[in-house]
Amino acid sequence: AQSVTQLGSHVSVSEGALVLLRCNYSSSVPPYLFWYVQYPNQGLQLLLKYTSAATLVKGINGFEAEFKKSETSFHLTKPSAHMSDAAEYFCAVVSGGGADGLTFGKGTHLIIQP
Amino acid sequence: DAGITQSPRHKVTETGTPVTLRCHQTENHRYMYWYRQDPGHGLRLIHYSYGVKDTDKGEVSDGYSVSRSKTEDFLLTLESATSSQTSVYFCAIKGGETSGGTDTQYFGPGTRLTVL
Repeated sequence: AQSVTQLGSHVSVSEGALVLLRCNYSSSVPPYLFWYVQYPNQGLQLLLKYTSAATLVKGINGFEAEFKKSETSFHLTKPSAHMSDAAEYFCAVVSGGGADGLTFGKGTHLIIQP
Repeated sequence: DAGITQSPRHKVTETGTPVTLRCHQTENHRYMYWYRQDPGHGLRLIHYSYGVKDTDKGEVSDGYSVSRSKTEDFLLTLESATSSQTSVYFCAIKGGETSGGTDTQYFGPGTRLTVL
């Protein structure tokens, strides 16, 4: 079965600094991977997704992620953090079961220091 | 906005009582999902539907049942609520009419359920 692991339940960066959120996947087949963001008391919003068309994926709000098969990784980055980026971030992979349900990582809480 | 609403948005109930959560969509999507979100666990799939009257179990289906009698509504029922079912419940829909993994899932605003 497909799974993802997010390293670091909390990540703290200074405003203007590089954001790096880590996600590693485990999959026996080429995976379809997603990054979602959740602001407090809200639902999940798609940041970007990997569907094998390109290894470097650009998303909303200046985020991007690079699919690296050799490292089984799909890390999320943003060159310069903004206070509004403070949120919970989830990496997810399409499960091996029916109807394409998602298997999520446990999430990373991003804290932006002024 | 994928036209997904969930009701109620908040509910407090007592152990042993039945509870039904409703997910309503306005865009006629075939696939619908129920997830629960708990601290330290991310989101976990409870049940999903791939059409009217077509449903199946997800990762954490014990204690839950679902029904889909109309395309637009997907109901999640806790037959006899327990404190371990205290959680935030999210409904999602998937764009596209076939399975294949690349279509995005869009999430509703969530229902916060507390079982005392």
